[in-house]
Order: sequence, then C-alpha cells, then structure tokens
Amino acid sequence: GQQVMQIPQYQHVQEGEDFTTYCNSSTTLSNIQWYKQRPGGHPVFLIQLVKSGEVKKQKRLTFQFGEAKKNSSLHITATQTTDVGTYFCAGLAGGGNKLTFGTGTQLKVEL
Amino acid sequence: DGGITQSPKYLFRKEGQNVTLSCEQNLNHDAMYWYRQDPGQGLRLIYYSQIVNDFQKGDIAEGYSVSREKKESFPLTVTSAQKNPTAFYLCASTLSGGGVAKNIQYFGAGTRLSVL
Repeated sequence: GQQVMQIPQYQHVQEGEDFTTYCNSSTTLSNIQWYKQRPGGHPVFLIQLVKSGEVKKQKRLTFQFGEAKKNSSLHITATQTTDVGTYFCAGLAGGGNKLTFGTGTQLKVEL
Repeated sequence: DGGITQSPKYLFRKEGQNVTLSCEQNLNHDAMYWYRQDPGQGLRLIYYSQIVNDFQKGDIAEGYSVSREKKESFPLTVTSAQKNPTAFYLCASTLSGGGVAKNIQYFGAGTRLSVL
C-alpha cells in the first residue's frame, strides 16, 4: 500500500534558525496537505498543494510540491517558539479519498 | 460554533471491556474518519464513512467497530478484541461536494484511551 515517510523524525533548533522537513511518497500523489499538531493538541490544516512544482508561502513557512508529485517539503525561516509542534504531510493518491499521513517531524525550538 | 466534538477527553478501559468513543460534527460534512495515534507516531486510519449507513475499513480496523446512523455522528467502539488499545483517538470530517477543499480534514480534540 501507499507509504509516506518524513524526515527527520525530530529536530531541535535554536530560535531564529531555519527548519525543513521532507516528505516522500511511494506513489504519485494527486495532492499533498500539511498539518500542524501542537503538543497535546490535534492536527490543524495548514495548506494543500495540487500542481507539480507548486510553491506556496504563508508568512515564514514555504511549502513545495515536487515535479514528480511524489515528494514535498516544508521550510520555516527564522523559527519562533510558537512553531513548536509536530508537522505532518498527508498525501492523496489517484481519485481516492483516503489521506495517508506521514510519520511526522517533531520540532522543538529553544531560546 | 461549528466543529467536531469528541467525548470523553479521557477514557479508561478494563480488560475484556468494550468502550465507545463519541464523535459529533455540525459542519454538515458527509465524510467522517477515525484515526489512531500512538506516541511519537503518525495517524493511522481505522475506519471511514462517506455517507450515512455506509463505512469502510481503514488500515487498522481489527478490534474496532463503527456505525453511521446519522450524518452528524460516527461513534467508534474499541472492542475487547483490540489487545493494545492505549492510544490517542482522533475523529475527522471532510467537506462534501467537489473541488479541492473537499479533501481537507477537520479534526476533533481527541480522546485518550488507557487500559486499567
């Protein structure tokens, strides 16, 4: 079945440093979504990418969808303590309606 | 406020006991989902339902059962056959109709289940 892997599993950064998490799918995706889960909370939708090579920005967050639509990345510029949490990618394959969630990257930001 | 309500927030199960987790939504969404999250891990799909009176198994359905008698409600029963039920359970729903927005998942606050 479809698998979605994320690296790294954990990342500790100093406040102000940049952060990137990478997502790789075993199959071609029709779209990819990113979610953030704060400690003790539930996943919250951040963004959806649909087009090959698409790049979207939300303030300090930059999301990319690979040309082959099998990988994606999330880059945070100048991290802040409010960025702490686990970031998940989730891919949708073909015409299906089941998202496959990645394994997540847990981000910790130290002052 | 529109949203998804899960209850209870914390639940304890005794050996051999069935327990039911509640999930209610007032978003008028057609599709609803149940996920299991283990510490430090991603979300694994247990069951999902695209329409009332219909549901499909996800990747880890064994030991679980669901019903979808009403559009607003999608309860999950953790049966005694589930030997390792301790986890964080998340319910989600998605917008009905066409368009890219239909795949975006809205989550409830979750239920933490532990075994006594």
